[in-house]
Amino acid sequence: DAKTTQPNSMESNEEEPVHLPCNHSTISGTDYIHWYRQLPSQGPEYVIHGLTSNVNNRMASLAIAEDRKSSTLILHRATLRDAAVYYCIPSTQGGSEKLVFGKGTKLTVNP
Amino acid sequence: EAQVTQNPRYLITVTGKKLTVTCSQNMNHEYMSWYRQDPGLGLRQIYYSMNVEVTDKGDVPEGYKVSRKEKRNFPLILESPSPNQTSLYFCASSFVGRGETQYFGPGTRLLVL
Repeated sequence: DAKTTQPNSMESNEEEPVHLPCNHSTISGTDYIHWYRQLPSQGPEYVIHGLTSNVNNRMASLAIAEDRKSSTLILHRATLRDAAVYYCIPSTQGGSEKLVFGKGTKLTVNP
Repeated sequence: EAQVTQNPRYLITVTGKKLTVTCSQNMNHEYMSWYRQDPGLGLRQIYYSMNVEVTDKGDVPEGYKVSRKEKRNFPLILESPSPNQTSLYFCASSFVGRGETQYFGPGTRLLVL
């Protein structure tokens, strides 16, 4: 399993952009980079994933470094509902495999 | 609505009293799995199933059993619960294949006295 390093916590103000970094320097060349988040008292929730190119969806954007050793999850306008623990997870398949959740980054959004 | 459901959501029981936590998904996913989440230890996989009648152990299977008789259901069975199984349990499901994403249930909080 590729090891990941994320800040323990980050803070943002509502409606401001948030950049959540993740270092995954031991990632395999064919591993996806998945991001999940866990809101308080809820199960993990898929946010976004990518392989090599930057990705956008309705929730967030994912910027992947050219060497794939790091990535950044971008929330363009943080809302109070985005307060959660965010996990960066390299994975071979994405689905149908054990997801290795590290400690993640706890994001606090201030009103 | 596509979802993973778990029942019960909260359960208090006593040591040794058999219990079952149900998990059901309505997305026709082949893959299902169970995790437990404990403070300081994060989420750890208990068991998983690649399809009907195909199950295998995860990282922490001791004290648990599972079955997969139907595609949509994947119950977690604790035949003789002990206090160290007090935890928050999550069920997850997905399609099999590269690039797929996993869907998690809302969680079952279990307290074993």
